[in-house]
Amino acid sequence: DIQMTQSPSSLSASVGDRVTITCRASHDITNCLAWYQQKPGKVPELLIYAASTLQSGVPSRFSGSGSGIDFTLTISSLQPEDVATYYCQKYDSAPLTFGGGTKVEIK
Amino acid sequence: EVQLVQSGAEVKKPGESLRISCKGSGYSFTSYWISWVRQMPGKGLEWMGRIDPSDSHTNYSPSYEGHVTTSTDKSISTAYLQWSSLEASDTAVYYCARHPGAGRQFDYWGQGTLVTVSS
Repeated sequence: DIQMTQSPSSLSASVGDRVTITCRASHDITNCLAWYQQKPGKVPELLIYAASTLQSGVPSRFSGSGSGIDFTLTISSLQPEDVATYYCQKYDSAPLTFGGGTKVEIK
Repeated sequence: EVQLVQSGAEVKKPGESLRISCKGSGYSFTSYWISWVRQMPGKGLEWMGRIDPSDSHTNYSPSYEGHVTTSTDKSISTAYLQWSSLEASDTAVYYCARHPGAGRQFDYWGQGTLVTVSS
């Protein structure tokens, strides 16, 4: 099965900083990758799909890039409401594996 | 408005059986797959399996195959996740989520069902 490795596992940044989270697949998944945001105590929400397509309603400071094996989620200007854990997920074929998550905090 | 409404929290003993539900509304229930996702306390998201409500075709993660079963009742737009014999390690929040195809992103999620298994 394909493994999804996220890094870092946690980060602390200041409001307004540019934040980058990476996700690496153990095999080529083309662009079948989604990013989800889970705020503390809340339900996960879809941010980005097809590696770079922003889900409707998601702020434009979020962006995704990559294809094949390496993918990136970028928050261009970190806001207090972005405190959350972020997960990548492959969905090209079962099992639809999630990455281990990246916890983002405000410094 | 699309909604996935899950059944309430459960407290069970090891060895007991359980079925939790996920009722879809605001969309054509048979046009979207339903997946189930586990989140153990303080841990990450784990995909368990999925079902196509149109024909009940299922796929399971190797980690969960044989331990859980998912099914649907199209007549009431409801998906189910069931265990025949719970273990303490099944204590977790379980989410259902819909996706517009077998290999697609999860665009709506249920609110989660907390299952606690303790003797």
